[in-house]
Amino acid sequence: QSALTQPASVSGSPGQSITISCTGTSSDVGTYNYVSWYQHHPGKAPKLMISDVNNRPSGVSNRFSGSKSGNTASLTISGLQAEDEADYYCSSYTTSSTLYVFGTGTKVTVL
Amino acid sequence: QVQLVESGGGLVKPGGSLRLSCAASGFSFSDYYMSWIRQAPGKGLEWISYINSRGTNLYYADSVKGRFTISRDNAKNSLYLRLSSLRGEDTAVYFCARDAGGHYHFDHWGQGTLVTVSS
Repeated sequence: QSALTQPASVSGSPGQSITISCTGTSSDVGTYNYVSWYQHHPGKAPKLMISDVNNRPSGVSNRFSGSKSGNTASLTISGLQAEDEADYYCSSYTTSSTLYVFGTGTKVTVL
Repeated sequence: QVQLVESGGGLVKPGGSLRLSCAASGFSFSDYYMSWIRQAPGKGLEWISYINSRGTNLYYADSVKGRFTISRDNAKNSLYLRLSSLRGEDTAVYFCARDAGGHYHFDHWGQGTLVTVSS
């Protein structure tokens, strides 16, 4: 099972919007609405930001939103803030033998 | 509040074994599926194993199948991962995570424990 494909890095200025893509296949992202997104500050526990493609857990800022089209899911961060600088990973349920697959990860830099 | 605390990491020689533990609190542990996820130095997250609430349904990533064993003790609110036949590429921070169950995502994570495989 290959990892889902994400851009290695995305950057933006404070207040701008950025979008991170996550490309999979018909065995995962393309067929199932079980795409989730995680924010990870190195040395800390990863944090769930989006589940089920576009569901925002309680306590997560409404500046974070998710969507999906075909085999590609996306995470959009609007009104970018310095605290958003972190690594972001998508994940999906997969019908391969492994059950779950993560994305390659995207480093978000706030300029 | 939900807490997951991993322990048991350390330095181990290639071919060696180790058992990781994850102590859960703040929720009804026996009601939840759990997973182990790891991150090698400079690399991304890799899901490696899953266990259902009763410990009867197990899944593993191909990279660890046959070498790692996941288990749980609901009476002790604990999750375990037995690592065997360790290789250098198993060097990583190992996280335990609560699986939301039925929706295939991880809603709470621990801070991780570092396993270093080196001679």
